[in-house]
Amino acid sequence: QKEVEQDPGPLSVPEGAIVSLNCTYSNSAFQYFMWYRQYSRKGPELLMYTYSSGNKEDGRFTAQVDKSSKYISLFIRDSQPSDSATYLCAMSVQGAQKLVFGQGTRLTINP
Amino acid sequence: EPEVTQTPSHQVTQMGQEVILRCVPISNHLYFYWYRQILGQKVEFLVSFYNNEISEKSEIFDDQFSVERPDGSNFTLKIRSTKLEDSAMYFCASSEAYQQETQYFGPGTRLLVL
Repeated sequence: QKEVEQDPGPLSVPEGAIVSLNCTYSNSAFQYFMWYRQYSRKGPELLMYTYSSGNKEDGRFTAQVDKSSKYISLFIRDSQPSDSATYLCAMSVQGAQKLVFGQGTRLTINP
Repeated sequence: EPEVTQTPSHQVTQMGQEVILRCVPISNHLYFYWYRQILGQKVEFLVSFYNNEISEKSEIFDDQFSVERPDGSNFTLKIRSTKLEDSAMYFCASSEAYQQETQYFGPGTRLLVL
C-alpha cells in the first residue's frame, strides 16, 4: 500500500462549483498535513496546513483531517478559473522534516 | 514578499558530468531542503540541512549527492556523476524554524541528463 494516495484526476468543474480534493494515507504516525498548489512549471505553493485532526478554514479554502479514517480533504468554495492548478497533499511525522507528497490532482475550473 | 529562488531554471548535461544546482533560501530561514520530482511522479524528499549539517536524508540521497551552504545566502545541491535517471525537476525549500508545515518552495531547476 502506498504511503500517500491521491487521485491524479484530471478534475474539471464549472466556475463557482465547490471542489473536493482528497488524500488517503497508511502511516498512522503522520501528524502534520499540508496542501500545496502547483501551477504549471512552478514550485509548490503552501496553501494550508493542519496539525492532527480537525478542520481549518482560510477564505474559500477548508482543510479537513480525519485521522481515524486516515483521510484528508481540501474544499474550495466558489471556485475560480485562477484556482486551476495541480493540488498536492503532503504530510509528515512528528519530529521529522521530510514531507511525503501525494501524486497531485490536476484541477481545471471552466469559466 | 520574500521567496526562494533557484538557478539555473533549466540545465542540460551529459551522463557522467557533475552538476551544481543553486538556491537562495528566504533570508531569515534556518532550515533548507531539496526535493525532486521526476516527470509524472510524486515530489520526493532528498535531504534537509540545518546549522551546516545534514539533519535528515532519504535513501535516494546516496554518495553521488552532496549539499553545501558555501556562504550566507546560497544553498547548493551537487550531483557528482549524473545518470539518466537523475533527470527531474529539483526543488529547493526553506523554513524559518523546525516546522514541517511551513516549508516554502522555489520554482525549481529542470535537469535533463542525456
